[in-house]
Amino acid sequence: KAGVTQTPRYLIKTRGQQVTLSCSPISGHRSVSWYQQTPGQGLQFLFEYFSETQRNKGNFPGRFSGRQFSNSRSEMNVSTLELGDSALYLCASRETGATVQFFGPGTRLTVL
Amino acid sequence: AQSVTQLDSHVSVSEGTPVLLRCNYSSSYSPSLFWYVQHPNKGLQLLLKYTSAATLVKGINGFEAEFKKSETSFHLTKPSAHMSDAAEYFCVVSDSWKTSYDKVIFGPGTSLSVIP
Repeated sequence: KAGVTQTPRYLIKTRGQQVTLSCSPISGHRSVSWYQQTPGQGLQFLFEYFSETQRNKGNFPGRFSGRQFSNSRSEMNVSTLELGDSALYLCASRETGATVQFFGPGTRLTVL
Repeated sequence: AQSVTQLDSHVSVSEGTPVLLRCNYSSSYSPSLFWYVQHPNKGLQLLLKYTSAATLVKGINGFEAEFKKSETSFHLTKPSAHMSDAAEYFCVVSDSWKTSYDKVIFGPGTSLSVIP
């Protein structure tokens, strides 16, 4: 099976813009989670989607949002970008009821 | 409340020598514990997991970890380091991985360097 894929791999935006990141989970995986990774804060949970419904949300402002489609693909959107949003955004998928997450390679977002 | 402490932010070993990456956790319940590895510009890969079965857990690439409840530790070891082991390692704790992702806590990471 193909692994978790994320597009784009690299992105450069300016402050105030918005951005959409995409994640395709492993075939058959219905749960998708998003994480933000920065040198200062480490890995932080953003949100989790299961069957098109947001099941959990981390402690991030409302500028961060996401959605999941019927084919389990997920997107996350960040509006009104700030310099501090520069980070590696990781997506992970897992099978229903499984304990192991499989991570994608991430999208490196740079905000100038 | 849950927390994870990785006692060393950076570890450097010579190729062929043992590796020890230390992790201590705090959890209100019986936790699930994981070690993940991240190579440069890559996502995270699961090395091993502990979910209340055997306390000595064997993972991929020769890594293993021992769950010690009395010491609240879950240290990662490998008998002989290889150059390809150079990466960032994350210890992860979860009270209930299946039900609530906001209870998944990642440690700050330990960067492992392997000297030829």
